Order: sequence, then C-alpha cells, then structure tokens
Amino acid sequence: GNSVTQMEGPVTLSEEAFLTINCTYTATGYPSLFWYVQYPGEGLQLLLKATKADDKGSNKGFEATYRKETTSFHLEKGSVQVSDSAVYFCALSDEWESNTGKLIFGQGTTLQVKP
Amino acid sequence: DAGVIQSPRHEVTEMGQEVTLRCKPISGHNSLFWYRQTMMRGLELLIYFNNNVPIDDSGMPEDRFSAKMPNASFSTLKIQPSEPRDSAVYFCASSLAWGQDKETQYFGPGTRLLVL
Repeated sequence: GNSVTQMEGPVTLSEEAFLTINCTYTATGYPSLFWYVQYPGEGLQLLLKATKADDKGSNKGFEATYRKETTSFHLEKGSVQVSDSAVYFCALSDEWESNTGKLIFGQGTTLQVKP
Repeated sequence: DAGVIQSPRHEVTEMGQEVTLRCKPISGHNSLFWYRQTMMRGLELLIYFNNNVPIDDSGMPEDRFSAKMPNASFSTLKIQPSEPRDSAVYFCASSLAWGQDKETQYFGPGTRLLVL
C-alpha cells in the first residue's frame, strides 16, 4: 500500500542555516503530496502542497518539489529562524479513497533551531 | 470560519471512567477524521467518516473506543472504560472532497487526555 518515509529527527540547526527534511513515498498512481507543521501545543496545519509531478509548493519561505522519478518531496528552506522550531509531517493522499480526503502521514521530523 | 472546534481542550479523569470528546468540523466539509498522538506511537488515524458514514475504523484500538457522527456538524469519540494507556492528545480534522482545496485536512487544537 501507499506509505511515506521521513528522515528521523531531531534536526538541530543554528539560526539562518539551510534546512532540508527528506521525504520519500510509495504509491502506485499519482497522489497529492503535503507538508504539515505542528507547533508546540497546537494541531497540525498545512504548510504547502503539490498535486502533480514537477509542481513546487511554497509557503513562508519553505519549498518542496514533487519528484516522481525519485518519489520524493523534500522540504527546504534557505534560512531558518527560531520560530520555525516545530514538528514537520510529510503526507500523501490515499488514491484509493481520494473521495474521502484520507491522508497517509509520515512519522514526523522534529526541527530545533537555536539562536 | 472558526475552524475545527474540539472540546474539552483538557481532560483529566480516573481509570474506569467514561470519556467523551467532541468535534465540530468546518461548515460544509464532508469528511471527518479522528487521530491520536503520543510520543511512543506518533500520529495514528483512529477512524474517519465521509458524509457522516464511518468509512474505516480499523485504527480504533479496541472495543472500548467508539465514534459517532449523528449529523454533518458534530462528532464524538467515546472511551469507556478509560485506561491510563489512553492518555494522549486526540485531534479531529475535517476536509472537503472536491474543489481546489480538495484533500487538505484542517485540524482542531486537540484534546489533551490524562487518565490517572
């Protein structure tokens, strides 16, 4: 079945460093791909998404490109801030139940940014 | 829109007691999801509904857990009897199955449950 694999955390960076969080997926068709962010004490919120191959999602300085050839959707940011400290989840839509909106989430990657 | 509303935000109860968590999805959304999050197991999908009908409850841990969606604007997750291992943050999320925002899930703030 469909699945998502993220790099294990925690990822610890200094402020203004470059961020990459790897995400790869397994799917037989053409799912939509998502990055969600969870700040401490809050629910998950959508950060960005891409719905087809070669699409680039972007928001708040974060970017991710839907790469079908490598089945990847890596999250990047050129210069992180302390306020970016959070847990990041990669997810894909379930193609067999696309009418229900079900998503398959990765295990989450914790990012800690130090001043 | 107020977003997904969950109540209570915090619940502390004793083992053996019944616990009821409530969720109001975003108006117009037709899918609703219940998740549980713990440090040990991460984020787990418990059950989800589409057009008020339960589609998949395979994630429900055991018979002590039950969920209902009597109408499009309300859902409950009940644990009876509760056990300490049920302590977790429970999230409700909703989504719309069509349109530009299709498949995007919107999460509530969660209910933090502690069973003593």
